[in-house]
Amino acid sequence: GESVGLHLPTLSVQEGDNSIINCAYSNSASDYFIWYKQESGKGPQFIIDIRSNMDKRQGQRVTVLLNKTVKHLSLQIAATQPGDSAVYFCAEMGYSTLTFGKGTMLLVSP
Amino acid sequence: NAGVMQNPRHLVRRRGQEARLRCSPMKGHSHVYWYRQLPEEGLKFMVYLQKENIIDESGMPKERFSAEFPKEGPSILRIQQVVRGDSAAYFCASSTDHVGEQYFGPGTRLTVT
Repeated sequence: GESVGLHLPTLSVQEGDNSIINCAYSNSASDYFIWYKQESGKGPQFIIDIRSNMDKRQGQRVTVLLNKTVKHLSLQIAATQPGDSAVYFCAEMGYSTLTFGKGTMLLVSP
Repeated sequence: NAGVMQNPRHLVRRRGQEARLRCSPMKGHSHVYWYRQLPEEGLKFMVYLQKENIIDESGMPKERFSAEFPKEGPSILRIQQVVRGDSAAYFCASSTDHVGEQYFGPGTRLTVT
């Protein structure tokens, strides 16, 4: 069942550190995954995506790793900055709709 | 190039009233999606529409909720006879096709008193 009203998992890091945010997905048939960043009071913003025929994809300061065996995604942010503070969601794409995970709050202190 | 627009940004309704949430997709996008987000939770899919058609409404509550995307004008999410449990942030996203990247609007925060 779903949990309601629980506090989000939180990752606190110092500016300049590398951050790793993890996500477990549910549908082994999913073939497309996306990481979103959501700042307070705003809508989700696309960060990076990966298809199931890959196990790693790199962007600017971000890397996504996909382990299909254990249905696990991770988002690595290099040299984390205060502006990276936000809630991060992984999402898996069905035919045309997104299923979001519960999110992780990243707090970056100067 | 304006992004996805939603209005109002904040909406307060008393129990039993109707709430109408509007979404204007990005220019050139004909696919619209509505999601609901409860505090400290991820977004939950509600409905997917393409101009004048509902493609997938598997996430919509069976009663009181409806959505439309007319040929002209914004997409509307309508909630009749609101209850306190409807209080949430409602996000709209749009895309160029059913597999395209979904761009999200800023959301409408509905508070039912």
